Amino acid sequence: QVQLVESGGGVVQPGGSLRLSCAASGFTFSNYGMHWVRQAPGKGLEWVAFIWHDGSNQYYADSVKGRFTISRDNSKNTLYLQMSSLSAEDTAVYSCAKGRDTMTYWGQGTLVTVSS
Amino acid sequence: EIVMTQSPATLSVSPGERATLSCRASQSVSSNLAWYQQKPGQAPRLLIYGASTRATGIPARFSGSGSGTEFTLTISSLQSEDFAVYYCQQYNNWPPWTFGQGTKMEIK
Repeated sequence: QVQLVESGGGVVQPGGSLRLSCAASGFTFSNYGMHWVRQAPGKGLEWVAFIWHDGSNQYYADSVKGRFTISRDNSKNTLYLQMSSLSAEDTAVYSCAKGRDTMTYWGQGTLVTVSS
Repeated sequence: EIVMTQSPATLSVSPGERATLSCRASQSVSSNLAWYQQKPGQAPRLLIYGASTRATGIPARFSGSGSGTEFTLTISSLQSEDFAVYYCQQYNNWPPWTFGQGTKMEIK
């Protein structure tokens, strides 16, 4: 069965950096585009970034463009999100999701808290 | 960017009743519309794609309709496990992929 397990979250100071990982199993990872989606406490879903199955193209929400970088290692079945210049507005649960048009499976997410 | 607007924000329904949730797009998204269900502390689950096609394993009491800018998710007879937050999402014009703000289904 499809499994997506995020890790790397934690508490970081404003202006700091963090790298999130998403370990995928149960499907051929290299065949699928992948998203990062975040959810601030008590709020709705916000799309963050997408990467093509082969890593050839990446897309970002305006709110994170220039600060976040999505990448993947298909040999390790792992998706990444490098986050920098973090602010309180980036505090959220970050989840990875499989698919391009629709997000067919989601991980449970990892909490990122930006606070001094 | 296509803005998705859901209504109502909260829907109070009794178990066994029918529930109708609405989603409106700021411009046409054709039938490129998905619905997700999210229960507290859980990851979202894909319910409907293509505006009306149920995802794998989704019970027949969930149905979607609409095209263009107006969409509806109907739950024919609410079960206790259906009380959750529901989101619509368009994938007609990306990036960005955009979600509605959600409708919370609560027990009346």
